[in-house]
Amino acid sequence: AQRVTQPEKLLSVFKGAPVELKCNYSYSGSPELFWYVQYSRQRLQLLLRHISRESIKGFTADLNKGETSFHLKKPFAQEEDSAMYYCALSGDGLKVIFGPGTSLSVIP
Amino acid sequence: DTGVSQDPRHKITKRGQNVTFRCDPISEHNRLYWYRQTLGQGPEFLTYFQNEAQLEKSRLLSDRFSAERPKGSFSTLEIQRTEQGDSAMYLCASSEDRGRNSPLHFGNGTRLTVT
Repeated sequence: AQRVTQPEKLLSVFKGAPVELKCNYSYSGSPELFWYVQYSRQRLQLLLRHISRESIKGFTADLNKGETSFHLKKPFAQEEDSAMYYCALSGDGLKVIFGPGTSLSVIP
Repeated sequence: DTGVSQDPRHKITKRGQNVTFRCDPISEHNRLYWYRQTLGQGPEFLTYFQNEAQLEKSRLLSDRFSAERPKGSFSTLEIQRTEQGDSAMYLCASSEDRGRNSPLHFGNGTRLTVT
């Protein structure tokens, strides 16, 4: 079975501080993992994919198969990073499963 | 705007009534997904289509829910005999047919309130 967990519902950090949003998954095969973000009053959108190995808006995420994790990190948080973040997994077939989300609040 | 569009944006209905939502995906996208989202939760998978074929339907979905994509373009999601527990945001997403890495493009959703 596929499952995505995000242990923190809320995360508050000060501007300029590092931020890490945790994501753990359960899947027996080789997963494809994503981070999606939803800013206030906007639609859900892709932030980054693990396959791309890229940094988007200063965020990076590394897939750790040993720990079955895909944590999202940014060294210096900005106020505009305040949003809802969802970790997602594509495993069996083409079904994409989302975690419960973490609300990030960056304090000025 | 060539993004995913959903109609209506809001729907208020009385318990027991039927409702139908529409989703127009990005035109070149073969895949179309439906999700349901309640307050404080992530999007919950309902079903998805590859062109006009419905390839998977969540076991959480009761027989009151049905989705179609008759010509492989737009899709409709119908809920029959609505219940208060059906109140949620219904999200549609589409993606290209490029394996499991294809990102989903979401619409703004249809917010359903069952009174």
